[in-house]
Amino acid sequence: DQQVKQNSPSLSVQEGRISILNCDYTNSMFDYFLWYKKYPAEGPTFLISISSIKDKNEDGRFTVFLNKSAKHLSLHIVPSQPGDSAVYFCAASGAWRQLTFGSGTQLTVLP
Amino acid sequence: DSGVTQTPKHLITATGQRVTLRCSPRSGDLSVYWYQQSLDQGLQFLIQYYNGEERAKGNILERFSAQQFPDLHSELNLSSLELGDSALYFCASSESPTGFTSGNTIYFGEGSWLTVV
Repeated sequence: DQQVKQNSPSLSVQEGRISILNCDYTNSMFDYFLWYKKYPAEGPTFLISISSIKDKNEDGRFTVFLNKSAKHLSLHIVPSQPGDSAVYFCAASGAWRQLTFGSGTQLTVLP
Repeated sequence: DSGVTQTPKHLITATGQRVTLRCSPRSGDLSVYWYQQSLDQGLQFLIQYYNGEERAKGNILERFSAQQFPDLHSELNLSSLELGDSALYFCASSESPTGFTSGNTIYFGEGSWLTVV
């Protein structure tokens, strides 16, 4: 029972263009959503989050959009840089803040 | 550097053995979480402690147990190890177990690689 899904295992984008990573969830009790970036053999690094009462949150080059009716969120990275190449995990938070993670999307930014 | 410290970084042990993974949360963080990342299961929540008390349990096997000590560090004990327990075990911490305010999120350590042979 995958409550958080990232349907694209990989994404390649040209440097300077926009990267859009998508995430779908099924549990309407989730009230906070987070994006983490992860390099191999390292821990996930927090990027940006959004409360379920908002539909957009922006932090520098990163913007997260939440569509509650569609149970869908997306992470936009503009402009994409080669250093952004990593695995990106979408996570949803329930009671007591335990996170349910998606399976991740490998982003490759081509120079 | 997230401020969450995990030891050991790598561990190789035999089936049937018992190991203890240690975690020191970020300074001031009262809540500690344990996650397991395996190839076939992805990142899965195991258990959460807040100020020494267990708060939530996820997909944690009965062979596994954890505790949080008065100094807030936490240990994850894995016993009767099986080949399938080989995984990366992450500890994470947060200031509060409820509510995300600006700057308050969940920070992960670099993980402990467990290989069971």
